[in-house]
Amino acid sequence: GDSVTQMEGPVTLSEEAFLTINCTYTATGYPSLFWYVQYPGEGLQLLLKATKADDKGSNKGFEATYRKETTSFHLEKGSVQVSDSAVYFCALSDVGFQKLVFGTGTRLLVSP
Amino acid sequence: KAGVTQTPRYLIKTRGQQVTLSCSPISGHRSVSWYQQTPGQGLQFLFEYFSETQRNKGNFPGRFSGRQFSNSRSEMNVSTLELGDSALYLCASSFRGGYTDTQYFGPGTRLTVL
Repeated sequence: GDSVTQMEGPVTLSEEAFLTINCTYTATGYPSLFWYVQYPGEGLQLLLKATKADDKGSNKGFEATYRKETTSFHLEKGSVQVSDSAVYFCALSDVGFQKLVFGTGTRLLVSP
Repeated sequence: KAGVTQTPRYLIKTRGQQVTLSCSPISGHRSVSWYQQTPGQGLQFLFEYFSETQRNKGNFPGRFSGRQFSNSRSEMNVSTLELGDSALYLCASSFRGGYTDTQYFGPGTRLTVL
């Protein structure tokens, strides 16, 4: 079945550092890919998405490119802030299935 | 536009009881999905409803059920609660539920089973 693999956390960075969170997927079709963020005590917020190969999703300084050849959707940000501290989830939605398959989440801790 | 709302936000129940959780989607959205989030299993899909019909169901026992009303509001019910049902239950809505659609999540209902 479909699956998403994320790098283990926590990822600990200093403010203004460069962020990369790796995400790879396995799917039978050509899925749509998403990054969601969860702050403590809250639900999930969409960060960005890409629906076809080579699409780049971007939002609030975060970016991710849909790479079909490597089945990856790595999240990047050039300069993180303390307020970016949260748990980040990579997810896919495959053709014909009205559901999201999530990775295990990666906790990001940014210190001043 | 108001976001997805879920009620109640917190619930405490004892084993063997049943519980009903409610979800109101974003206005105009016709698809509602439910997910369970636990530290051990992560985020798992429960079921999805569109126009009052269940279109997709995850791998959960029959104690977990749901329904959707004509105004797209949805409820999920868990009967004969077990300790392992303690979790954050998240509802998400989207316009059609298609695989390219964005699912917008509510704040969740935190269920504790004692």
